[in-house]
Amino acid sequence: DTGVSQDPRHKITKRGQNVTFRCDPISEHNRLYWYRQTLGQGPEFLTYFQNEAQLEKSRLLSDRFSAERPKGSFSTLEIQRTEQGDSAMYLCASSSLTDRGQGGELFFGEGSRLTVL
Amino acid sequence: AQSVTQLGSHVSVSEGALVLLRCNYSSSVPPYLFWYVQYPNQGLQLLLKYTSAATLVKGINGFEAEFKKSETSFHLTKPSAHMSDAAEYFCAVSLTSGNTPLVFGKGTRLSVIA
Repeated sequence: DTGVSQDPRHKITKRGQNVTFRCDPISEHNRLYWYRQTLGQGPEFLTYFQNEAQLEKSRLLSDRFSAERPKGSFSTLEIQRTEQGDSAMYLCASSSLTDRGQGGELFFGEGSRLTVL
Repeated sequence: AQSVTQLGSHVSVSEGALVLLRCNYSSSVPPYLFWYVQYPNQGLQLLLKYTSAATLVKGINGFEAEFKKSETSFHLTKPSAHMSDAAEYFCAVSLTSGNTPLVFGKGTRLSVIA
């Protein structure tokens, strides 16, 4: 169990550029979540997957954001035409369903910090 | 929809003093409740969780929290603060169905003074 890993840890980009973040969850976890955290705020839910199916998307996830989990393992979060307001820490987390079908605790990665100039 | 409110964005205590971080939740059905801690430049780490078993929950590093349905609260306490407890603490809620993601509070930054 190597934990949740995210790449890159830091990304600086110019406004208007596209960026992509990758998340590798804990291997046996079938749920994967993306959150966004800005300074002084708690994590805000963006979207989550159960295996390869995207089950829910927040209204925070504008059309410029897209997330995929093609084989039910790693996931990518792409932001197109970045804006300065996209500057934040993007957190990935994973969990497994318990035998009763209830979502377990979330295990978080260290996050990918995006700075848009 | 469920939500959590953390009272106090910043709490400062002396080393050895009681730590009390407040969390109130709103949920239309019995919730699962969590406390996470975030150290600088690190990911969130689970401190403890309430999942409808015992109302007094013990976590790591000497922390505990008590679920009080009548007060819709889940306050986090530690009898004696240590310098290493300085961090950001987040309360979170989810529905017991497990079909909704965690909803986090805005966090409380704990400072420990020597």
